[in-house]
Amino acid sequence: SQQGEEDPQALSIQEGENATMNCSYKTSINNLQWYRQNSGRGLVHLILIRSNEREKHSGRLRVTLDTSKKSSSLLITASRAADTASYFCATDEGAQKLVFGQGTRLTINP
Amino acid sequence: NAGVMQNPRHLVRRRGQEARLRCSPMKGHSHVYWYRQLPEEGLKFMVYLQKENIIDESGMPKERFSAEFPKEGPSILRIQQVVRGDSAAYFCASSSQGEQYFGPGTRLTVT
Repeated sequence: SQQGEEDPQALSIQEGENATMNCSYKTSINNLQWYRQNSGRGLVHLILIRSNEREKHSGRLRVTLDTSKKSSSLLITASRAADTASYFCATDEGAQKLVFGQGTRLTINP
Repeated sequence: NAGVMQNPRHLVRRRGQEARLRCSPMKGHSHVYWYRQLPEEGLKFMVYLQKENIIDESGMPKERFSAEFPKEGPSILRIQQVVRGDSAAYFCASSSQGEQYFGPGTRLTVT
């Protein structure tokens, strides 16, 4: 089955910098979602982008989707220490089930 | 409006015992999904249920694992005769027809 793959696996930046994470997938999708997971906690839904959308914004988050390249990116601008977490992309695979990537572990250094 | 509830949050079982994980979906949601997360990995789909029906169990191990979502009460993920490899975080999500909302997870430790 398809699986999203995040790149990089780990990212460490200074507070205030922008963080960019990428996700690639293998088959056609209806939508792609990004989630955040703080260490040892549940998942928080960040943003959903549909296959007919190219870009979406939510606060400091910007998500792009390129269906021709089967890839998506998540940009967090003006990062804060509280953004430290793992970030996962998830694609639908029919019947509404989600297929998650391995995640990007983001560390924001004060 | 309470979110997805899972209990217990932490569960310790000895090898060979049974583990029962509960999930109460958000109010008005009739779709429930179970996912498993091993350390340092992403979530893996296990099973998708609607009230009294299993819709997709393609991610469930063939033995020892079962799930139900009865007409009344929470969804239950049951693991019989647990082994060390079952140690993981188990997440439940619910939806009405689109976006899935996740619970806080149950962390199962098998000793």
